[in-house]
Amino acid sequence: DGGITQSPKYLFRKEGQNVTLSCEQNLNHDAMYWYRQDPGQGLRLIYYSQIVNDFQKGDIAEGYSVSREKKESFPLTVTSAQKNPTAFYLCAISSAGASYNEQFFGPGTRLTVL
Amino acid sequence: AQSVTQLDSHVSVSEGTPVLLRCNYSSSYSPSLFWYVQHPNKGLQLLLKYTSAATLVKGINGFEAEFKKSETSFHLTKPSAHMSDAAEYFCVVSDYRGQNFVFGPGTRLSALP
Repeated sequence: DGGITQSPKYLFRKEGQNVTLSCEQNLNHDAMYWYRQDPGQGLRLIYYSQIVNDFQKGDIAEGYSVSREKKESFPLTVTSAQKNPTAFYLCAISSAGASYNEQFFGPGTRLTVL
Repeated sequence: AQSVTQLDSHVSVSEGTPVLLRCNYSSSYSPSLFWYVQHPNKGLQLLLKYTSAATLVKGINGFEAEFKKSETSFHLTKPSAHMSDAAEYFCVVSDYRGQNFVFGPGTRLSALP
């Protein structure tokens, strides 16, 4: 983490509600990513963005939406269309297009549907 | 297409004994390879990365990994486990452009006293 912040740390949602998870970075990296992690499983890509005002769907985009209006911000909205949203959500950043660059991860948001 | 296989879902070692976490990859490109560690309810922290400069890569906390192209492997090792090493470990491959990160399923390491 370091220059990547995610808020809130814990989030509770009632069924049928939309919620927005925040991801902010001050490392001036171009690329930002959202992953979902379920217990005992690896990371699955939801959405990613290489530049401002552009983003692409990942492997499990259904029921989620994003925006990238500023370089430092990449919020994720979990909509009511996502049938099983309870999970740990991780935001990551990297230098887009740079060889051998790594991803840096935020501390995560744990979303629970009540 | 790229893929990552982590051969063990769970590894248990005694404190003070060596650690070996296995990772095999498949990549159409010259790959970038990474190992990350995740402690419970935390984000992922980079342990080390392979960037083609050297096949033996040293990382943080005494971990190292060796890139073996002929075996398409990038196994993670540590000479002596510590209880604080107990965590989930992920092997990751990306292409040379630094895009398309593909994660392995993870290996949970337990370090017993």
